[in-house]
Amino acid sequence: GAVVSQHPSRVICKSGTSVKIECRSLDFQATTMFWYRQFPKQSLMLMATSNEGSKATYEQGVEKDKFLINHASLTLSTLTVTSAHPEDSSFYICSVLTDSSYEQYFGPGTRLTVT
Amino acid sequence: GQNIDQPTEMTATEGAIVQINCTYQTSGFNGLFWYQQHAGEAPTFLSYNVLDGLEEKGRFSSFLSRSKGYSYLLLKELQMKDSASYLCAVRASPGGYNKLIFGAGTRLAVHP
Repeated sequence: GAVVSQHPSRVICKSGTSVKIECRSLDFQATTMFWYRQFPKQSLMLMATSNEGSKATYEQGVEKDKFLINHASLTLSTLTVTSAHPEDSSFYICSVLTDSSYEQYFGPGTRLTVT
Repeated sequence: GQNIDQPTEMTATEGAIVQINCTYQTSGFNGLFWYQQHAGEAPTFLSYNVLDGLEEKGRFSSFLSRSKGYSYLLLKELQMKDSASYLCAVRASPGGYNKLIFGAGTRLAVHP
């Protein structure tokens, strides 16, 4: 079964509004979660690394004030896209890294469309 | 800087064998992954190499040469359902912490 869930799977919002995406680790505690963005026919681009109990580490070029990340517990990280614009329309995927495994487990992704 | 290269597209025939190559340049190398991704879905794990050599898992095998910065994914007995994107990803620690850096992906089309 799935080890990582994301909610919602799809969301359509109007330009200027904010959208929150949840990523849950179902089977284990995750001190580290990653957020990726994927545009059509492109690969996954790491946006930020979410660390439980501390501030997220953002990749170069990713606006931390626009993409708010909260990792308040060992099983939940949220990504909030603030003041969304059409160019933010993308596939957002989270992944979880366990302490005992080399593997990252990916969530099913969230398709965001900003109109 | 970080750089991962793989072919953009490949085609192959059902039942055949295909090899997808990946070359990389990173600092703080800590393993190489191959993922399969169907359109609109999240990536699924295929293989992991951290030491030089070949790892075999059913119809899929992955090879790594750290000295050459080179890996390949070998798919045998191709099936139509193998049509997907195959992502090469390197775990590295360029900023002092581990993160997974993806290549652009190789779109594989399997035809009858």
